[in-house]
Amino acid sequence: AQSVSQHNHHVILSEAASLELGCNYSYGGTVNLFWYVQYPGQHLQLLLKYFSGDPLVKGIKGFEAEFIKSKFSFNLRKPSVQWSDTAEYFCAFYNNNDMRFGAGTRLTVKP
Amino acid sequence: DTGVSQDPRHKITKRGQNVTFRCDPISEHNRLYWYRQTLGQGPEFLTYFQNEAQLEKSRLLSDRFSAERPKGSFSTLEIQRTEQGDSAMYLCASSSRVRDYGYTFGSGTRLTVV
Repeated sequence: AQSVSQHNHHVILSEAASLELGCNYSYGGTVNLFWYVQYPGQHLQLLLKYFSGDPLVKGIKGFEAEFIKSKFSFNLRKPSVQWSDTAEYFCAFYNNNDMRFGAGTRLTVKP
Repeated sequence: DTGVSQDPRHKITKRGQNVTFRCDPISEHNRLYWYRQTLGQGPEFLTYFQNEAQLEKSRLLSDRFSAERPKGSFSTLEIQRTEQGDSAMYLCASSSRVRDYGYTFGSGTRLTVV
């Protein structure tokens, strides 16, 4: 069955540190992958998505993610985090009107 | 506001009562989805509609859960005979072109069963 796993439950960083959040999926077919962010008290918002083409995708607020097919991974990265990036981040897998989410990673950025 | 609206934002109910939540999607979106999110977990898919047709409901959590979208616009999610384990955030999302825009989520309805 298709699923998404996120390895880090809670990540704590200082401002200006680099970020990488892991996401792995299990599915043998064509993949459609997303990262969503949920800021405290707000709704889920789309950060970036991958459907096809360039495996390095850029999203809003300086985030990017790389699809590595051989590793079944879609890790989220940001070279220098800010305090305002404190939020929960969800990786999601989409196939045929079925969007499945990982358990999320809570990111805390210390000022 | 052109986002997805959910009402109410919070609902506290006694065990055994019925509750109904409403979702108003973005008007031009033909697809509407319901999810449940519990603490420390990602959203869990419940059901989805394309226009007024409910195309997937096998993952509704039990027969106490039902959803409608009578005119292909707003949708309601009803939970009958609520249990404490139903306490969660219930999220609604809508979409048109998922490849371009993904899903747009509402702020959710937080249900507390006491």
